[in-house]
Amino acid sequence: KQEVTQIPAALSVPEGENLVLNCSFTDSAIYNLQWFRQDPGKGLTSLLLIQSSQREQTSGRLNASLDKSSGRSTLYIAASQPGDSATYLCASGLGGGADGLTFGKGTHLIIQP
Amino acid sequence: SQTIHQWPATLVQPVGSPLSLECTVEGTSNPNLYWYRQAAGRGLQLLFYSVGIGQISSEVPQNLSASRPQDRQFILSSKKLLLSDSGFYLCAWSTLAGELFFGEGSRLTVL
Repeated sequence: KQEVTQIPAALSVPEGENLVLNCSFTDSAIYNLQWFRQDPGKGLTSLLLIQSSQREQTSGRLNASLDKSSGRSTLYIAASQPGDSATYLCASGLGGGADGLTFGKGTHLIIQP
Repeated sequence: SQTIHQWPATLVQPVGSPLSLECTVEGTSNPNLYWYRQAAGRGLQLLFYSVGIGQISSEVPQNLSASRPQDRQFILSSKKLLLSDSGFYLCAWSTLAGELFFGEGSRLTVL
C-alpha cells in the first residue's frame, strides 16, 4: 500500500524567500504525482501534475520535480508572497489512476509579510 | 470548461439521522468520480470511487454508501450518522491523465 509523507508539517518564512516542500512515497511504481493547494475551509486546487515519464513541471513561480527511483518529489516556490500561505498537499496515483490518489498530510505554509 | 459542484457546503446533523451529499460535474462525459473525507490530523481518505453509472468501489468499510444514478452525479449517503462521521467531505473527478479536480467541500458536524 502506498504511503506518502510530507516534510515539514509546517513552515514559516519571510516574504521573498525561495522555498522547497518535500514529498516522499514508498511505492515507486507510480502513475503520476500531483501537487495541490488548500486554503482554510476550502477544497483542493490542483497546482501541478507530473506523469511518471516526466521529471518536472513548471507553472509560474512553481516548479515540481519527480525522482521515482528515490521516491521523492519536491515543490519549489520562488519569490514567495503572503498569498502563497496555504496548506500544500502532494498525492500519488498507482496503476491506471482510476482508483484515486494517496495523499500526504500536507505542509502548512505561512509567508510572513 | 469543466466545473464541479458540491452541496450542501455545511451540515449539522444529530446522531442517527440520515445524510445525503450531492456532487455534479459539468463539461465532461463519463468522468471518474471520487468521494474523499478529510479529518483533522489524518489527511485525505478515499471513501468511494466510480468509473461509470452504477459502478461503485469502496475503499474502506464504513457507515456510508455512494451511488451514481447519472453519468455526472455522485451521491454520498448514510442511513444513520455516527459521531465519527463528522469531517470535511470532498467530491472530485479525474481526467484521462489522472489529474484530480475537487469541489469546494461539505463540512459535516454530527452532534
